[in-house]
Amino acid sequence: DAGITQSPRHKVTETGTPVTLRCHQTENHRYMYWYRQDPGHGLRLIHYSYGVKDTDKGEVSDGYSVSRSKTEDFLLTLESATSSQTSVYFCAISGDVNYGYTFGSGTRLTVV
Amino acid sequence: KQEVTQIPAALSVPEGENLVLNCSFTDSAIYNLQWFRQDPGKGLTSLLLIQSSQREQTSGRLNASLDKSSGRSTLYIAASQPGDSATYLCAVRGSSGSARQLTFGSGTQLTVLP
Repeated sequence: DAGITQSPRHKVTETGTPVTLRCHQTENHRYMYWYRQDPGHGLRLIHYSYGVKDTDKGEVSDGYSVSRSKTEDFLLTLESATSSQTSVYFCAISGDVNYGYTFGSGTRLTVV
Repeated sequence: KQEVTQIPAALSVPEGENLVLNCSFTDSAIYNLQWFRQDPGKGLTSLLLIQSSQREQTSGRLNASLDKSSGRSTLYIAASQPGDSATYLCAVRGSSGSARQLTFGSGTQLTVLP
């Protein structure tokens, strides 16, 4: 979807290195989310934001941090990447609670 | 905690058939329910969004229904085509506390045979 972009699309990194994934939206939506998708586990929420500098944890937040300094950008940081964080990461946006979600195209992260 | 279940996990049908995908959820306190499609290696594409006050939504050959009191939704696909082959995901947006995010089912993998 043109209103939400994720970068990078693919990344290979070494265990123990920091990694930052970026989500950028042009829709001025209040809510932004980071999910990971793994075989056998489906989509799981990592962190979400309900406004600038307002963030909260999801069900699988350990090892991840987020920041949102502007409405349009939501960053996901792996402070010290581990092999268990190899996954496909999706960003999503939503307006108010009666809006649906729009997902980005995903970032495929491999930690070696 | 909200739980979303999708049945069947996989479905294979010949082209032209009408089919129904099922979704059930445990907590009826929801704002809405959304159906997505995901092609292999791709992101999620929204198909239909049904608000909790609505009974159904239609888009082309797709029709989604919602029975909030029984915790069920169905996605009806008419006259299926090979291009409909994908994984279909159901997700509910809870209306209480930490459940105000989407909770996903595990999906139904659909294959439409030419």
